[in-house]
Amino acid sequence: DAKTTQPNSMESNEEEPVHLPCNHSTISGTDYIHWYRQLPSQGPEYVIHGLTSNVNNRMASLAIAEDRKSSTLILHRATLRDAAVYYCILRGVLSNFGNEKLTFGTGTRLTIIP
Amino acid sequence: GAGVSQSPSNKVTEKGKDVELRCDPISGHTALYWYRQSLGQGLEFLIYFQGNSAPDKSGLPSDRFSAERTGGSVSTLTIQRTQQEDSAVYLCASKRGQGETGELFFGEGSRLTVL
Repeated sequence: DAKTTQPNSMESNEEEPVHLPCNHSTISGTDYIHWYRQLPSQGPEYVIHGLTSNVNNRMASLAIAEDRKSSTLILHRATLRDAAVYYCILRGVLSNFGNEKLTFGTGTRLTIIP
Repeated sequence: GAGVSQSPSNKVTEKGKDVELRCDPISGHTALYWYRQSLGQGLEFLIYFQGNSAPDKSGLPSDRFSAERTGGSVSTLTIQRTQQEDSAVYLCASKRGQGETGELFFGEGSRLTVL
């Protein structure tokens, strides 16, 4: 799997937007960019994913650079509940069963300041 | 059920004992994954099932670890002769089917402590 690089930690003020960066310079043309987050003492939960175009859902937005070598997860208005570890993961197009797993890195620990 | 269910939520065992951890995926989800997470660490992939088959078991750390899935539903992860380094949270996830856009749904995990 292509590798992703994220900052170890970030802080943001409550009710402010948060931009979580992810670098993936070795991304291939068929790799999807997935974001998951893990709240304290819980299993990870899906946030968003995309391929080339920017994506929006009820939780967040995903901005993907034109060259696809980086992406940014945007939380539009952070709440205390958004404090979590955020994982940026690449996943290739399925060619055989071997591409089914998601490989989690160490992620970014986001702290929200009240 | 509505989500992925794992049991037990907590298990304390003595070194050398065998343990079984159970995962009930979301109904209809054909793909099932096991991960483990040691204290303060990231998630480590263990095994992936599609139906009852395990095409990727590359993450199982030793032959003391095994997993099976029956009826395309419930999965059991078995750790034989547990060691202290097996202490971790074991997480199960399921997905509707194959494909790169599928979202994984995780359970709350089973916390294993080996004394």
